[in-house]
Amino acid sequence: ETGVTQTPRHLVMGMTNKKSLKCEQHLGHNAMYWYKQSAKKPLELMFVYNFKEQTENNSVPSRFSPECPNSSHLFLHLHTLQPEDSALYLCASSQPGLRAHNEQFFGPGTRLTVL
Amino acid sequence: AQSVTQPDIHITVSEGASLELRCNYSYGATPYLFWYVQSPGQGLQLLLKYFSGDTLVQGIKGFEAEFKRSQSSFNLRKPSVHWSDAAEYFCAVVASSNTGKLIFGQGTTLQVKP
Repeated sequence: ETGVTQTPRHLVMGMTNKKSLKCEQHLGHNAMYWYKQSAKKPLELMFVYNFKEQTENNSVPSRFSPECPNSSHLFLHLHTLQPEDSALYLCASSQPGLRAHNEQFFGPGTRLTVL
Repeated sequence: AQSVTQPDIHITVSEGASLELRCNYSYGATPYLFWYVQSPGQGLQLLLKYFSGDTLVQGIKGFEAEFKRSQSSFNLRKPSVHWSDAAEYFCAVVASSNTGKLIFGQGTTLQVKP
């Protein structure tokens, strides 16, 4: 595997379900990100982790719970979601540093549908 | 606060024609700027970036962009569009170099006519 991978690619869940999204980066980076991409809205940053520590939480509802056990893996745990949470969830990684930090590499995304 | 505006939501060009996608930013200091492309069902791929120096930057797939501080713009150009360029294009500016936070524009969907 190369680059940034995300599983599953598609997920359908009910509002009472609990599921998790997984992201893995094979680039040796130490920063990872979760984004939400909804139709007709700009890409929204959700969370940022630098060296496994959360450094940004963009006022995300608590029904989204991120976990970063190491620099290569990032999870997004989902519970009691709402239909408006249906979106494409993108993971990205970068290498901290003055300039490299901002060159983010994206995974293909998980298309989430909440029924 | 930093922001990015892409005035054109949807653009259609004929194959072989030239292309310019507009991006305007709001940022107090010298911005770090990016253009990303997203094909259907895919993640974002970096096309090019501007940090400093030469205001005309070259990217992949024959794209280039010009940073114009006086106009707060970073427009993306390509002299001859190919059908495979049909995708969504996003301009982004760095909001925080410490955390790597980017702010994205709403995107421009490019359609290419045969």
